[in-house]
Amino acid sequence: QQQVKQSPQSLIVQKGGISIINCAYENTAFDYFPWYQQFPGKGPALLIAIRPDVSEKKEGRFTISFNKSAKQFSLHIMDSQPGDSATYFCAASGAGDYKLSFGAGTTVTVRA
Amino acid sequence: GAVVSQHPSRVICKSGTSVKIECRSLDFQATTMFWYRQFPKQSLMLMATSNEGSKATYEQGVEKDKFLINHASLTLSTLTVTSAHPEDSSFYICSARDPGRKYGYTFGSGTRLTVV
Repeated sequence: QQQVKQSPQSLIVQKGGISIINCAYENTAFDYFPWYQQFPGKGPALLIAIRPDVSEKKEGRFTISFNKSAKQFSLHIMDSQPGDSATYFCAASGAGDYKLSFGAGTTVTVRA
Repeated sequence: GAVVSQHPSRVICKSGTSVKIECRSLDFQATTMFWYRQFPKQSLMLMATSNEGSKATYEQGVEKDKFLINHASLTLSTLTVTSAHPEDSSFYICSARDPGRKYGYTFGSGTRLTVV
C-alpha cells in the first residue's frame, strides 16, 4: 500500500514554464516531506524538503507548498529549463522509524 | 556535504552466482542505512533497514536469505544478492542516515545489476 500518492505520472512543459507536481499522504505521523530529483542511472538527490510547521519553502526556482489540513504538498518548478528534465519523487517520513515512503514518481520533460 | 559512495556502479553476473554491493558513508558515521530496489520507470522500494552492529530488518516480501545485509561498521554496509537469478536484475540504491541530523538522508549513486 503506497503511503504517498503522487501525480501526474508525467508532464511536458515548455522552457520557461512552470512544472507542478502534487502529492498526498494519509499518515499524520509524517513530519518530513522531501522532494528528490533522479536522473537515469543515478541515485536520487535531495532537491528541497519541508516540515509541517511551515506552509511554503522556496529555494531558487523550486518551491514546496504544504497544506497540513488537506494532507497534501506540491512541488513547483519555476522557469523550467531543459536540464530540469528528470524524474521527481516526493517522499515522507516520521520520527518513529525514519523510513522514507516514496511517491510513484513524475517524469518531467522540458522542451526547449 | 554528506557523501555516500556505492560500488560497483554496474555489475553483470551469471545466474546462480552471488554479488556484493558496498555502501560507504565517507564523511559521517551512519548508524542506519537503508537498501532500496528500483525497477525501470518505477519508484524506490525499501528492501531493508540496517543498523550498525545488529541484524537488518527486512520489509515484507523481501527474502532475507537471498538479500544478505551486513552493517559491520559505522561507515560500511553491504548487500549480497545470493544465488542471483534474472528476476533479481534491478537498480539497487543505498541510503545512509546521518544521526547528527534528524532527517539527514544521503543516497548512493546506485548499482545496476544484470543477471544473465
